[in-house]
Amino acid sequence: TQLLEQSPQFLSIQEGENLTVYCNSSSVFSSLQWYRQEPGEGPVLLVTVVTGGEVKKLKRLTFQFGDARKDSSLHITAAQPGDTGLYLCAGGRGSNYKLTFGKGTLLTVNP
Amino acid sequence: EAGVAQSPRYKIIEKRQSVAFWCNPISGHATLYWYQQILGQGPKLLIQFQNNGVVDDSQLPKDRFSAERLKGVDSTLKIQPAKLEDSAVYLCASSLVGTSTDTQYFGPGTRLTVL
Repeated sequence: TQLLEQSPQFLSIQEGENLTVYCNSSSVFSSLQWYRQEPGEGPVLLVTVVTGGEVKKLKRLTFQFGDARKDSSLHITAAQPGDTGLYLCAGGRGSNYKLTFGKGTLLTVNP
Repeated sequence: EAGVAQSPRYKIIEKRQSVAFWCNPISGHATLYWYQQILGQGPKLLIQFQNNGVVDDSQLPKDRFSAERLKGVDSTLKIQPAKLEDSAVYLCASSLVGTSTDTQYFGPGTRLTVL
């Protein structure tokens, strides 16, 4: 059962454009993490959000956790070729330490 | 600080053969994870160790997959016998304490191709 739906599945944009990718679920998560994975490498953690409505900024990346803790978004301003990669969201629930990953959004930023 | 090490990086085998992967986590990390990532999908947890004990192996196909973490440090994942659908990248990760908000540090993965 796929509990986390990510959209879009693929996104190809030009350098300098803005974009938003989404992570949605019908279930409530106590925490949500975003990772970026480059080809041939393992995922690298970008951010962890734990409070409904929480917004975190990391340079040109803005992460938001939905008020009901069922969804999250990642907004990138002025995308650069270095932002290219697979963006994965992963949800955690309380004392269940297991993370559930979405399928990811594959982003390509063209120079 | 050294990251998570995995070997081999690539492996090609024929179906029904056996294969083993090795992982060395970050020093001092109590929790070790093995994930399977099929092309076009996110990582799926196969097994989670806390020190040398198993916390979760609910998605490990136990008829063919096995894993151990000797002395709570290194770990090996074995597939015997392999099937075509086992073709995937096998990722090892470690974290300090193992909560769902803990940072998981991933290795580069082992890409397995089963012919």
